[in-house]
Amino acid sequence: DQQVKQNSPSLSVQEGRISILNCDYTNSMFDYFLWYKKYPAEGPTFLISISSIKDKNEDGRFTVFLNKSAKHLSLHIVPSQPGDSAVYFCAASDRYNFNKFYFGSGTKLNVKP
Amino acid sequence: EADIYQTPRYLVIGTGKKITLECSQTMGHDKMYWYQQDPGMELHLIHYSYGVNSTEKGDLSSESTVSRIRTEHFPLTLESARPSHTSQYLCASSDQGEAFFGQGTRLTVV
Repeated sequence: DQQVKQNSPSLSVQEGRISILNCDYTNSMFDYFLWYKKYPAEGPTFLISISSIKDKNEDGRFTVFLNKSAKHLSLHIVPSQPGDSAVYFCAASDRYNFNKFYFGSGTKLNVKP
Repeated sequence: EADIYQTPRYLVIGTGKKITLECSQTMGHDKMYWYQQDPGMELHLIHYSYGVNSTEKGDLSSESTVSRIRTEHFPLTLESARPSHTSQYLCASSDQGEAFFGQGTRLTVV
């Protein structure tokens, strides 16, 4: 049973606009959430993370929001750039339980010039 | 910058062959992982390790085996490759925070 879900397989956004990628999880023991960016035939690259004690974390153009009551997190990219086009994976872990990372199935973001 | 390396990057091999995918990290991380990923799917954890001489099977059943004789090295072995093993294999390591991934091995079994 998939514990981390990304229900949108793809998203297309115009350059300069906001990209919002969504993720839901089911395990209430998860206390650490991450976003990764991946190109084909490459390994995922870490983007940004958030601990369960926070509801927002910002790093440059990237902001992650966490809604624990809804078991939902989102990644906002503002402004979107063509170089942001990639597959974005949401991940979650329970740091007191070995810190295994569980991944969603990814959202393919296409930023159009 | 992450210092975790996987070799080979690409491998095409015949059915029945034995293969070993190499993974090394220079960050001194105790925790290491192997994930398997098919296009459009999530990354599935197939093996992980707490440290030297400690290995566990992940949530996705796999016919592969792993070993952890040294902190920096976490190779994955398939004794007899089959076409169903065709996939991308991703190695990662972590300390208390995020996992760092290698570039992956794209395995094709013909």
